[in-house]
Amino acid sequence: QLQVQESGPGLVKPSETLSLTCTVSGGSISSSSHYWGWIRQPPGKGLEWIGSIYYSGNTYYNPSLKSRVTISVDTSKNLFSLQLSSVTAPDTAVYYCARHAGYSYGRYNFYYYMDVWGKGTTVTVSS
Amino acid sequence: QSALTQPASVSGSPGQSITISCTGTSSDVGGYNYVSWYQQHPGKVPKLMIFDVSNRASGVSNRFSGSKSGNTASLTISGLQAEDEADYYCSSYTGSNPPYVGFGGGTKVTVL
Repeated sequence: QLQVQESGPGLVKPSETLSLTCTVSGGSISSSSHYWGWIRQPPGKGLEWIGSIYYSGNTYYNPSLKSRVTISVDTSKNLFSLQLSSVTAPDTAVYYCARHAGYSYGRYNFYYYMDVWGKGTTVTVSS
Repeated sequence: QSALTQPASVSGSPGQSITISCTGTSSDVGGYNYVSWYQQHPGKVPKLMIFDVSNRASGVSNRFSGSKSGNTASLTISGLQAEDEADYYCSSYTGSNPPYVGFGGGTKVTVL
Protein backbone atom coordinates (compact mmCIF):
# COMPACT_ATOMS: atom_id res chain seq x y z
CA GLN A 1 0.00 0.00 0.00
CA LEU A 2 1.43 3.33 -1.04
CA GLN A 3 2.36 5.68 1.78
CA VAL A 4 3.83 9.18 1.97
CA GLN A 5 5.72 10.58 4.94
CA GLU A 6 6.79 14.13 5.70
CA SER A 7 10.08 14.99 7.40
CA GLY A 8 11.96 18.14 8.30
CA PRO A 9 12.62 20.71 11.03
CA GLY A 10 9.76 21.55 13.35
CA LEU A 11 11.06 25.05 14.08
CA VAL A 12 12.14 27.68 11.56
CA LYS A 13 13.26 31.24 12.30
CA PRO A 14 11.49 34.21 10.71
CA SER A 15 12.92 35.27 7.33
CA GLU A 16 14.55 31.86 6.83
CA THR A 17 13.58 29.08 4.43
CA LEU A 18 11.30 26.22 5.45
CA SER A 19 12.43 22.91 3.91
CA LEU A 20 10.43 19.68 4.04
CA THR A 21 10.77 16.32 2.34
CA CYS A 22 8.10 13.77 1.49
CA THR A 23 9.22 10.18 1.02
CA VAL A 24 7.06 7.86 -1.04
CA SER A 25 7.00 4.16 -0.12
CA GLY A 26 5.11 1.18 -1.47
CA GLY A 27 5.01 2.67 -4.95
CA SER A 28 6.91 4.75 -7.47
CA ILE A 29 6.95 8.52 -7.61
CA SER A 30 7.47 8.09 -11.36
CA SER A 31 3.83 7.10 -11.83
CA SER A 32 2.44 8.53 -15.03
CA SER A 33 -0.99 8.87 -13.40
CA HIS A 34 -0.24 11.10 -10.45
CA TYR A 35 1.16 14.39 -9.28
CA TRP A 36 2.63 14.88 -5.79
CA GLY A 37 1.99 17.90 -3.67
CA TRP A 38 1.79 19.88 -0.46
CA ILE A 39 -1.11 21.23 1.59
CA ARG A 40 -0.91 23.15 4.87
CA GLN A 41 -3.26 23.91 7.74
CA PRO A 42 -2.57 26.73 10.23
CA PRO A 43 -3.66 26.05 13.81
CA GLY A 44 -7.45 26.13 14.06
CA LYS A 45 -7.86 27.07 10.39
CA GLY A 46 -8.70 25.43 7.08
CA LEU A 47 -6.69 23.68 4.39
CA GLU A 48 -4.56 25.60 1.90
CA TRP A 49 -3.13 24.00 -1.24
CA ILE A 50 0.52 24.93 -1.78
CA GLY A 51 1.43 23.22 -5.03
CA SER A 52 2.20 19.98 -6.85
CA ILE A 53 4.83 18.35 -9.06
CA TYR A 54 5.03 15.57 -11.68
CA TYR A 55 7.94 13.14 -11.79
CA SER A 56 9.19 14.97 -14.87
CA GLY A 57 9.49 18.17 -12.83
CA ASN A 58 6.41 20.00 -14.12
CA THR A 59 4.93 22.09 -11.31
CA TYR A 60 1.80 23.99 -10.36
CA TYR A 61 1.71 26.50 -7.49
CA ASN A 62 -0.87 28.41 -5.49
CA PRO A 63 -0.74 31.96 -6.92
CA SER A 64 -0.78 33.44 -3.42
CA LEU A 65 2.43 31.59 -2.49
CA LYS A 66 4.12 31.21 -5.85
CA SER A 67 6.78 33.88 -5.28
CA ARG A 68 8.09 32.03 -2.21
CA VAL A 69 7.55 28.35 -3.08
CA THR A 70 9.71 25.80 -4.82
CA ILE A 71 8.72 22.14 -5.13
CA SER A 72 11.27 19.69 -6.50
CA VAL A 73 11.44 15.94 -7.12
CA ASP A 74 14.18 13.32 -6.81
CA THR A 75 13.05 10.20 -8.64
CA SER A 76 16.22 8.28 -7.69
CA LYS A 77 15.29 8.60 -4.02
CA ASN A 78 11.52 8.41 -4.57
CA LEU A 79 10.87 11.70 -2.80
CA PHE A 80 9.80 15.26 -3.39
CA SER A 81 10.53 18.41 -1.44
CA LEU A 82 9.08 21.76 -0.45
CA GLN A 83 10.94 24.99 0.10
CA LEU A 84 9.13 28.08 1.38
CA SER A 85 11.31 31.17 1.64
CA SER A 86 11.10 34.26 3.82
CA VAL A 87 8.79 32.64 6.34
CA THR A 88 6.85 34.61 8.94
CA ALA A 89 4.55 33.62 11.81
CA PRO A 90 1.50 33.06 9.54
CA ASP A 91 3.42 30.24 7.85
CA THR A 92 3.14 28.26 11.09
CA ALA A 93 1.03 25.22 10.21
CA VAL A 94 0.75 21.50 9.87
CA TYR A 95 2.22 20.66 6.48
CA TYR A 96 0.87 17.62 4.64
CA CYS A 97 2.23 15.91 1.57
CA ALA A 98 -0.24 14.02 -0.60
CA ARG A 99 -0.60 12.09 -3.82
CA HIS A 100 -2.70 13.95 -6.35
CA ALA A 101 -4.94 12.01 -8.72
CA GLY A 102 -6.93 13.14 -11.73
CA TYR A 103 -6.70 13.21 -15.47
CA SER A 104 -4.57 14.28 -18.40
CA TYR A 105 -5.90 15.23 -21.82
CA GLY A 106 -3.10 16.05 -24.17
CA ARG A 107 -1.24 19.01 -22.71
CA TYR A 108 -3.98 19.72 -20.17
CA ASN A 109 -3.56 18.24 -16.67
CA PHE A 110 -6.30 17.98 -14.06
CA TYR A 111 -4.59 16.30 -11.11
CA TYR A 112 -6.65 17.93 -8.43
CA TYR A 113 -7.82 15.53 -5.74
CA MET A 114 -5.65 14.10 -2.95
CA ASP A 115 -6.19 10.40 -2.36
CA VAL A 116 -3.20 9.50 -0.19
CA TRP A 117 -2.10 11.79 2.62
CA GLY A 118 0.87 11.83 4.95
CA LYS A 119 0.38 12.16 8.70
CA GLY A 120 1.48 15.77 8.59
CA THR A 121 4.34 17.59 10.26
CA THR A 122 4.02 20.68 12.45
CA VAL A 123 6.24 23.61 11.53
CA THR A 124 6.46 26.59 13.84
CA VAL A 125 7.97 29.88 12.73
CA SER A 126 9.52 31.56 15.73
CA SER A 127 12.79 33.12 16.82
CA GLN B 1 -9.59 34.17 2.22
CA SER B 2 -10.73 30.85 0.76
CA ALA B 3 -11.32 30.38 -2.93
CA LEU B 4 -14.61 28.55 -2.32
CA THR B 5 -17.39 29.51 0.11
CA GLN B 6 -18.82 27.04 2.62
CA PRO B 7 -21.11 27.58 5.61
CA ALA B 8 -19.16 27.64 8.86
CA SER B 9 -21.40 25.08 10.50
CA VAL B 10 -24.23 22.67 9.84
CA SER B 11 -26.00 20.50 12.39
CA GLY B 12 -28.52 17.70 12.42
CA SER B 13 -29.97 14.96 14.58
CA PRO B 14 -29.03 11.31 14.22
CA GLY B 15 -30.80 9.74 11.27
CA GLN B 16 -31.47 13.04 9.55
CA SER B 17 -29.95 14.26 6.29
CA ILE B 18 -27.83 17.38 5.99
CA THR B 19 -26.34 19.19 3.01
CA ILE B 20 -23.17 21.26 2.89
CA SER B 21 -22.85 23.78 0.07
CA CYS B 22 -19.68 24.90 -1.67
CA THR B 23 -19.99 27.98 -3.86
CA GLY B 24 -17.41 28.99 -6.41
CA THR B 25 -17.38 30.59 -9.83
CA SER B 26 -17.50 29.60 -13.48
CA SER B 27 -13.69 29.32 -13.33
CA ASP B 28 -13.75 26.51 -10.83
CA VAL B 29 -16.85 24.67 -9.57
CA GLY B 30 -19.08 25.83 -12.41
CA GLY B 31 -16.57 25.23 -15.16
CA TYR B 32 -15.37 21.72 -14.43
CA ASN B 33 -16.63 18.49 -12.91
CA TYR B 34 -13.50 18.40 -10.76
CA VAL B 35 -14.83 18.91 -7.25
CA SER B 36 -13.71 16.84 -4.28
CA TRP B 37 -14.71 16.64 -0.62
CA TYR B 38 -12.62 15.77 2.45
CA GLN B 39 -13.58 14.77 6.00
CA GLN B 40 -11.29 15.71 8.89
CA HIS B 41 -11.82 14.62 12.46
CA PRO B 42 -10.11 16.72 15.17
CA GLY B 43 -6.37 16.14 15.18
CA LYS B 44 -6.59 13.72 12.27
CA VAL B 45 -5.50 13.65 8.65
CA PRO B 46 -8.02 14.74 6.00
CA LYS B 47 -9.71 11.84 4.23
CA LEU B 48 -10.93 11.90 0.63
CA MET B 49 -14.68 11.28 0.52
CA ILE B 50 -15.87 12.38 -2.94
CA PHE B 51 -14.11 13.18 -6.23
CA ASP B 52 -15.33 14.22 -9.66
CA VAL B 53 -18.37 15.89 -8.00
CA SER B 54 -20.18 12.67 -7.14
CA ASN B 55 -17.83 9.65 -7.12
CA ARG B 56 -17.31 8.09 -3.70
CA ALA B 57 -13.74 7.22 -2.77
CA SER B 58 -12.93 3.62 -1.96
CA GLY B 59 -14.48 2.47 1.30
CA VAL B 60 -16.68 5.54 1.79
CA SER B 61 -20.22 4.86 2.97
CA ASN B 62 -23.03 5.34 0.45
CA ARG B 63 -24.61 7.69 3.01
CA PHE B 64 -22.30 10.31 1.51
CA SER B 65 -23.23 11.75 -1.88
CA GLY B 66 -22.10 14.69 -3.97
CA SER B 67 -23.79 16.84 -6.59
CA LYS B 68 -23.42 20.12 -8.44
CA SER B 69 -25.68 22.80 -9.86
CA GLY B 70 -24.17 25.77 -11.61
CA ASN B 71 -21.39 27.26 -9.49
CA THR B 72 -22.42 25.41 -6.32
CA ALA B 73 -21.42 21.90 -5.32
CA SER B 74 -23.05 20.04 -2.45
CA LEU B 75 -22.22 17.19 -0.10
CA THR B 76 -25.18 15.38 1.43
CA ILE B 77 -24.90 13.09 4.42
CA SER B 78 -27.95 10.91 4.89
CA GLY B 79 -28.78 8.87 7.99
CA LEU B 80 -26.53 11.11 10.07
CA GLN B 81 -24.42 9.26 12.64
CA ALA B 82 -22.35 10.42 15.60
CA GLU B 83 -19.15 9.42 13.78
CA ASP B 84 -19.96 11.91 11.00
CA GLU B 85 -19.24 14.82 13.35
CA ALA B 86 -16.16 16.39 11.76
CA ASP B 87 -14.96 19.22 9.55
CA TYR B 88 -15.67 18.93 5.84
CA TYR B 89 -13.76 20.73 3.08
CA CYS B 90 -14.62 21.09 -0.56
CA SER B 91 -11.95 21.55 -3.20
CA SER B 92 -12.00 22.34 -6.89
CA TYR B 93 -9.71 22.57 -9.87
CA THR B 94 -9.43 26.22 -10.89
CA GLY B 95 -8.91 26.82 -14.57
CA SER B 96 -6.91 30.02 -14.32
CA ASN B 97 -3.57 30.58 -16.05
CA PRO B 98 -1.76 28.81 -14.54
CA PRO B 99 -4.32 26.49 -12.97
CA TYR B 100 -4.37 25.63 -9.30
CA VAL B 101 -6.43 23.84 -6.65
CA GLY B 102 -8.67 25.81 -4.30
CA PHE B 103 -10.21 24.78 -0.99
CA GLY B 104 -13.30 25.96 0.80
CA GLY B 105 -13.00 27.35 4.30
CA GLY B 106 -14.49 24.22 5.83
CA THR B 107 -17.78 23.32 7.50
CA LYS B 108 -18.12 21.98 11.01
CA VAL B 109 -20.79 19.28 11.14
CA THR B 110 -22.36 18.76 14.56
CA VAL B 111 -24.55 15.77 15.38
CA LEU B 112 -27.06 16.94 17.97
